[in-house]
Amino acid sequence: AQSVAQPEDQVNVAEGNPLTVKCTYSVSGNPYLFWYVQYPNRGLQFLLKYITGDNLVKGSYGFEAEFNKSQTSFHLKKPSALVSDSALYFCAVRDMINFNKFYFGSGTKLNVKP
Amino acid sequence: DAGVIQSPRHEVTEMGQEVTLRCKPISGHDYLFWYRQTMMRGLELLIYFNNNVPIDDSGMPEDRFSAKMPNASFSTLKIQPSEPRDSAVYFCASSFKFTEAFFGQGTRLTVV
Repeated sequence: AQSVAQPEDQVNVAEGNPLTVKCTYSVSGNPYLFWYVQYPNRGLQFLLKYITGDNLVKGSYGFEAEFNKSQTSFHLKKPSALVSDSALYFCAVRDMINFNKFYFGSGTKLNVKP
Repeated sequence: DAGVIQSPRHEVTEMGQEVTLRCKPISGHDYLFWYRQTMMRGLELLIYFNNNVPIDDSGMPEDRFSAKMPNASFSTLKIQPSEPRDSAVYFCASSFKFTEAFFGQGTRLTVV
């Protein structure tokens, strides 16, 4: 079955340290992968996507993500975390075989401490 | 473009009443998604449309929920009758083909 898994409910990191938010996926065909961020009382904001090409994709606010086909992972990374990065992060996959259905993970709360 | 526009932003209603949530997608987008977000269940896909046609409504929780998209610039999600367990934030999102979806600000529904 098609799905997206975010194994960590919460990630804590100190400001200035690198951060990683994990995501694994399962789809029938080639995956179209996305990361979104949600701040309190706001809608989801698009951060970055992988469609094809380089496995390392860069997005908004200094975030990047690495696509790993063999491990079916698409982890979100940032070299140096900011307190303002604290938010809820969602990984998503678009199933190109199943009528472009959009599956979202359960979300990971990122806490960046000063 | 102003982005995906949802109305109202907040809705408080009594149990048993009909509730209608509205969404205006981004012009030119051909996919429209309705999601529900709660603490317990996270982000759930309720239904989505392609070119105004419903493609998959398997996420609609009960027959009390219905959604329509009469034209490319407008969609509604209706709950009739509403129940307290329907309290949640409802999001509408739109996309062009298989690219990223853009979300509205959401409607916070409280059923008392």
